[in-house]
Amino acid sequence: GQQVMQIPQYQHVQEGEDFTTYCNSSTTLSNIQWYKQRPGGHPVFLIQLVKSGEVKKQKRLTFQFGEAKKNSSLHITATQTTDVGTYFCAGRDFGNEKLTFGTGTRLTIIP
Amino acid sequence: NAGVTQTPKFQVLKTGQSMTLQCAQDMNHEYMSWYRQDPGMGLRLIHYSVGAGITDQGEVPNGYNVSRSTTEDFPLRLLSAAPSQTSVYFCASSYQMPTRDTHGHEQFFGPGTRLTVL
Repeated sequence: GQQVMQIPQYQHVQEGEDFTTYCNSSTTLSNIQWYKQRPGGHPVFLIQLVKSGEVKKQKRLTFQFGEAKKNSSLHITATQTTDVGTYFCAGRDFGNEKLTFGTGTRLTIIP
Repeated sequence: NAGVTQTPKFQVLKTGQSMTLQCAQDMNHEYMSWYRQDPGMGLRLIHYSVGAGITDQGEVPNGYNVSRSTTEDFPLRLLSAAPSQTSVYFCASSYQMPTRDTHGHEQFFGPGTRLTVL
């Protein structure tokens, strides 16, 4: 079955440094979504990417979908304490209606 | 709107007991789903429903039953709880299937139920 892996599993950064998490699928994806989960909270939808090579920005967050549609990344510029949490990607195979979540990257910020 | 609500927030069961986790949404969403979240394993889909009267299995359905008699409610039943079902359970809803490429794919999650089975 489809597998979606994320790296790194954990990331500790100084406040103000950049952060990137990578999402890799074992199969070609139709689309990919990104979610953020604050400690003790529930996942919150951030964005969906659909097109090959697509890049979308939300303020300090940049999302990218790979040309082969098998990988994606989330980059945060100049991290702030409000960025703390676990970031999940979730992807769908072609011909499969189920969304498979990645294992997540837990970001902690050192003030 | 209350969004997606889940009850209870916490529950402790003994092995073999049964219980129902409640989930309700007031956004008139057609698609609802249940996930379990375990450390280091992300969110895994248990069951989902594309509308009232229609349910289907996800990635890890064994040990769980669901029904969807109304658009608003999607309860998850554990018939005979096992320690392996200790987890945090999230219910989610969206206007349409989260895998659709068009608008309405965003999933809204409930606050979760933390279940411990002894």
